[in-house]
Amino acid sequence: NAGVMQNPRHLVRRRGQEARLRCSPMKGHSHVYWYRQLPEEGLKFMVYLQKENIIDESGMPKERFSAEFPKEGPSILRIQQVVRGDSAAYFCASSPTGTGSGEKLFFGSGTQLSVL
Amino acid sequence: GQQLNQSPQSMFIQEGEDVSMNCTSSSIFNTWLWYKQDPGEGPVLLIALYKAGELTSNGRLTAQFGITRKDSFLNISASIPSDVGIYFCAGDRNYGGSQGNLIFGKGTKLSVKP
Repeated sequence: NAGVMQNPRHLVRRRGQEARLRCSPMKGHSHVYWYRQLPEEGLKFMVYLQKENIIDESGMPKERFSAEFPKEGPSILRIQQVVRGDSAAYFCASSPTGTGSGEKLFFGSGTQLSVL
Repeated sequence: GQQLNQSPQSMFIQEGEDVSMNCTSSSIFNTWLWYKQDPGEGPVLLIALYKAGELTSNGRLTAQFGITRKDSFLNISASIPSDVGIYFCAGDRNYGGSQGNLIFGKGTKLSVKP
């Protein structure tokens, strides 16, 4: 009964490199959400995707950040040319198909990105 | 953007004590959620509230959705050591069908009294 799987758990990148964060939703879930958490802060919404579609990217920075959720395979959050300010914990959540309120979100354990 | 003000920021508990924390907003939310986050893990849902005035319990936890829809509180009764962690409130502006765009407070960190 696997939950939301994120990998890697920890990712270290130098400034200017690319970071790729992966998220496999729970079985049967076709909605994926990415959140970012800075130290001592709450989570902040970034993007909401369904299979092959971006539904809401209102929380995504305009540059360097992109997300996808292909028909096959995990959802990917990609950060190009990382800067120190990108250091944070990135959480993925998934929810089952159909409507529902926030209680249907199940969070993964996160990827801690450190930019040197 | 919208913010949730969560207080207190941190508190120390002694086993057996009752704990109370709250969350306020300048905007109305249609759903209030309370999560607990352990170090190195994602948030885990504790309680979800859907109606103004609603009072809901989950074991030793009790939460209420404020009448004005702009606030919520969480109480933990007879705390135990495993209650330590960070508690987050979150508001969902959508009604019925969620876009998953939750607004989180900054958290209340519960620690054990030395």
